[in-house]
Amino acid sequence: GIQVEQSPPDLILQEGANSTLRCNFSDSVNNLQWFHQNPWGQLINLFYIPSGTKQNGRLSATTVATERYSLLYISSSQTTDSGVYFCAVLNSNSGYALNFGKGTSLLVTP
Amino acid sequence: DTAVSQTPKYLVTQMGNDKSIKCEQNLGHDTMYWYKQDSKKFLKIMFSYNNKELIINETVPNRFSPKSPDKAHLNLHINSLELGDSAVYFCASSPSPGELFFGEGSRLTVL
Repeated sequence: GIQVEQSPPDLILQEGANSTLRCNFSDSVNNLQWFHQNPWGQLINLFYIPSGTKQNGRLSATTVATERYSLLYISSSQTTDSGVYFCAVLNSNSGYALNFGKGTSLLVTP
Repeated sequence: DTAVSQTPKYLVTQMGNDKSIKCEQNLGHDTMYWYKQDSKKFLKIMFSYNNKELIINETVPNRFSPKSPDKAHLNLHINSLELGDSAVYFCASSPSPGELFFGEGSRLTVL
């Protein structure tokens, strides 16, 4: 099946800093999503972005499908951004459900 | 109004018991899923149903049996629980094709 690699695996930021999280995938995709799992375990949808660029407040994401990667940008980080960020992809040739990366664990300190 | 809801949120039980987790979605989606999140936070697909028909059944012990009475519900029944079944189980739904939405998860602890 399609492979999903996220980097870095762990990240510590001071409040106010910016960061970029990366997701590489091994095949063409027709769905790509970014999720945030907060410290209470909830999985929150951030972006549905199989291609192109989207912005939502301090977060933005870009997927370059032809080069098989996606980036999630977090600007002016806040402590509430802490948690695990997951990238998940779907390739209809190899399945009907999103395949998840292992996540990037982010801690934002005051 | 919760879009994808699961019950119970917490379940503590003894080895060998049988338990069920229920899931309902009010989004009008065609497809529902069960994912398992292990202790290392890895999320893995277990089952997927499209319009009440099973379309994915990953390598999951046959002690796990999904049931979809209608396209808004997908329940998970687990027989003869083992210690290794302890995990967080997430229900999700999506249109076909489309964006996936998760429930809040059900944390199962087997003692």
